[in-house]
Amino acid sequence: GDSVTQMEGPVTLSEEAFLTINCTYTATGYPSLFWYVQYPGEGLQLLLKATKADDKGSNKGFEATYRKETTSFHLEKGSVQVSDSAVYFCALSDPGTSYGKLTFGQGTILTVHP
Amino acid sequence: GAGVSQSPSNKVTEKGKDVELRCDPISGHTALYWYRQSLGQGLEFLIYFQGNSAPDKSGLPSDRFSAERTGGSVSTLTIQRTQQEDSAVYLCASSFGQASEAFFGQGTRLTVV
Repeated sequence: GDSVTQMEGPVTLSEEAFLTINCTYTATGYPSLFWYVQYPGEGLQLLLKATKADDKGSNKGFEATYRKETTSFHLEKGSVQVSDSAVYFCALSDPGTSYGKLTFGQGTILTVHP
Repeated sequence: GAGVSQSPSNKVTEKGKDVELRCDPISGHTALYWYRQSLGQGLEFLIYFQGNSAPDKSGLPSDRFSAERTGGSVSTLTIQRTQQEDSAVYLCASSFGQASEAFFGQGTRLTVV
């Protein structure tokens, strides 16, 4: 079956540092890929998505590129802020199914210090 | 409402009791999803509604779990004869359609003692 593997956390960075959170997936066909973020005390929010190979999703300074050859969708940000502290989830949905039926990774806790 | 609303936000129940968890989706959203978030299992899909029907119930862990949706709006997730392993945060999400972003509620934290 489908699966998503994220890098182990927690990740602790200083403000303005570069962020990478690795995500790889196993799926049949060409899934759609997502990053969701959960800020403290809030619900899950969609951060960005990519629906086909080589697409780049971007939002709030975060980027991720759909790499079919390496089955990866790594999340990057050039300069993190304290307000980026949250839990980040990589997820996929199978082609032909609803975007809301998601297989999630385990989540990566990010803490950014001033 | 402005977002997906879930109630109660917290629920403590005794082992063996039945519980009902409620989800009010965003107005106009036809698709509704239930997930479970637990420390050991992460985020797991439970069930998907399109309108009032559930074309995908593949994630329900046992026959103690059931869900319904009425009027294409509110949904209730029912857990019968709760067990300690049912303790988790139950999340609801809704979307405008199949190819639309899913918006999540803040969840119901269920603790079975």
